[in-house]
Order: sequence, then C-alpha cells, then structure tokens
Amino acid sequence: AQSVTQLDSQVPVFEEAPVELRCNYSSSVSVYLFWYVQYPNQGLQLLLKYLSGSTLVESINGFEAEFNKSQTSFHLRKPSVHISDTAEYFCAVSGNQAGTALIFGKGTTLSVSS
Amino acid sequence: DTGVSQDPRHKITKRGQNVTFRCDPISEHNRLYWYRQTLGQGPEFLTYFQNEAQLEKSRLLSDRFSAERPKGSFSTLEIQRTEQGDSAMYLCASSPTGRGHEAFFGQGTRLTVV
Repeated sequence: AQSVTQLDSQVPVFEEAPVELRCNYSSSVSVYLFWYVQYPNQGLQLLLKYLSGSTLVESINGFEAEFNKSQTSFHLRKPSVHISDTAEYFCAVSGNQAGTALIFGKGTTLSVSS
Repeated sequence: DTGVSQDPRHKITKRGQNVTFRCDPISEHNRLYWYRQTLGQGPEFLTYFQNEAQLEKSRLLSDRFSAERPKGSFSTLEIQRTEQGDSAMYLCASSPTGRGHEAFFGQGTRLTVV
C-alpha cells in the first residue's frame, strides 16, 4: 500500500519569493507521483507528474518537482510565486501497476500575499 | 467533451435519509474513481471501477455505501441511512486505461447531513 505525507499544512509567502512544498511517500512498489492543485471554489487539476525518465518534471506555469527515490520525496518548487498561485496543493502517489488507485496527501495551503 | 460531470452539486439531507449521487466520466475513459474530501483533508479513496467492474474498495466504504457503474459509463454512489459524519465533498474522477494516466476530477457533490 502507498501513503503520502505533506509536511506543511500551510505555507505563507510574499509575492515573488521562492517556495517549496514538501512531499514524502511510502510504498513497497515502484510509484508514479503527481501534484494536483485546487484553486478556491474549483475542482482538482493536475499540475505535474512523474512517471519515469528524468527525475525533474516541470509544469507550464513555472512549478517543478524532483523525484528523489533515496529520500522517497517529490517536493514541489517555484522560484518566484504570484498572487494567483494561492491555492491548495495535493501530492499523490499510485503504484505503477495498471489500475492502482491514486492516494493523496492531506494538502498544503499556499498563501501568497503582496 | 466537457469533462467529468457530477450531479447534484449540493445536497442537504436529514440524518437517516438515503442519498444518491451521479457521475458522468469523460466519454473515452474506462476507469472511474470515487473519493471523499472533508475540510482540511486530502481526497480519500473510496472505490474504483474498470468499465463496469468494481475492482477496489476502501475500508472507508462501509456497508451503508454502495457504488455502481452498470454499463461502464456513468456511475452512482448511494449512501443509506446517512449520518452527520457523512457530510463531505464527494469527488468523482476518471482516467484512460493504462499506467500513469492522471485522474480528471469533477467539481464534486457537497453533502450536508443535518
């Protein structure tokens, strides 16, 4: 079985500052890793995912995450945040067997202020 | 295609009543998932269908909960004898067959049991 721990429930930052949202996972099998974002009053949207290959994955809006197998981590980073990045961010893991359900962490609230 | 659709968006019911929610997945997606999300928590996996077959159920899915996907298209989630602890957002997601495909989420049905 898989599990996900998001180490910070809330992260307040100022606009244009860098940010890191931490995610650790536990699994007895190889995994796929995902970050989802939930903007206020909206549904969950995929931000980025790691399946295989390069351990550094990027999203179209400047976020990146690095898969670290030895530390079982998949931290999300952005070098300079915007007010519009304020949202709830969820890390998720699934086993790499076909059909394994996606298991989510409890989420991190990113609050960006000016 | 407009994505995953859930109906109703909001439901208020009295304790002890039965409720049923509907999910229409993205049309070419074979997999369908139900999750429950409470305030301050990440989505908790409830159950998963591959076409019409229910392949996995969480321990969270007590005997008062039942889900169906009769023709491998839309799905229903029924809660019998609702309790106040059932108050939550119920999320449906779908994905294509194969490994590593992200789940696409609907907007959810918010259930309030009074």
